[in-house]
Amino acid sequence: DAKTTQPPSMDCAEGRAANLPCNHSTISGNEYVYWYRQIHSQGPQYIIHGLKNNETNEMASLIITEDRKSSTLILPHATLRDTAVYYCIAQGAETSGSRLTFGEGTQLTVNP
Amino acid sequence: EAQVTQNPRYLITVTGKKLTVTCSQNMNHEYMSWYRQDPGLGLRQIYYSMNVEVTDKGDVPEGYKVSRKEKRNFPLILESPSPNQTSLYFCASSPPWDTDTQYFGPGTRLTVL
Repeated sequence: DAKTTQPPSMDCAEGRAANLPCNHSTISGNEYVYWYRQIHSQGPQYIIHGLKNNETNEMASLIITEDRKSSTLILPHATLRDTAVYYCIAQGAETSGSRLTFGEGTQLTVNP
Repeated sequence: EAQVTQNPRYLITVTGKKLTVTCSQNMNHEYMSWYRQDPGLGLRQIYYSMNVEVTDKGDVPEGYKVSRKEKRNFPLILESPSPNQTSLYFCASSPPWDTDTQYFGPGTRLTVL
């Protein structure tokens, strides 16, 4: 699994877009980028994942750079309920069925 | 509603008293897994199961047992709990076509005195 680097904390105003960066400069060609979040002591929640192309779902958008060395998770209209630790994971298909490796993540605080 | 459930949610017990934490999912997922979360150590996988009667060790299996007799259930068994097993435990499941997209239960906070 490629190592990921995220800022330890970020703040965002309610209603504004939250842009959470992640560096994964050693990512290999078959490794996906996954994003999860964990609201205090609750179970982690899957958000989105992608390989090369940008992805969007009802929760967020994922922008992956062309060289795939970094990505950004975008929450378009952050709410107070989006306050959580966000984890970026780069993981290859060959490790499927094994484990998710969660790093330290980014503590996102959405302020009123 | 599609979900992973765990019971109990909170448990305080004493050293050596066998306990079982249940996990059940209603999504017909084949893959299930147990993690523990400790401050400063993140989430670490204990055991996982690719299907019924198929289980394998994760990163920290010592002191734990699991069984997978039915697809929906994946209980975590602590035969002789010790204080270092005090932790927050999560069960997760995922569909076979993407075992990295995991759906987590609400967690079980275990304290072993």
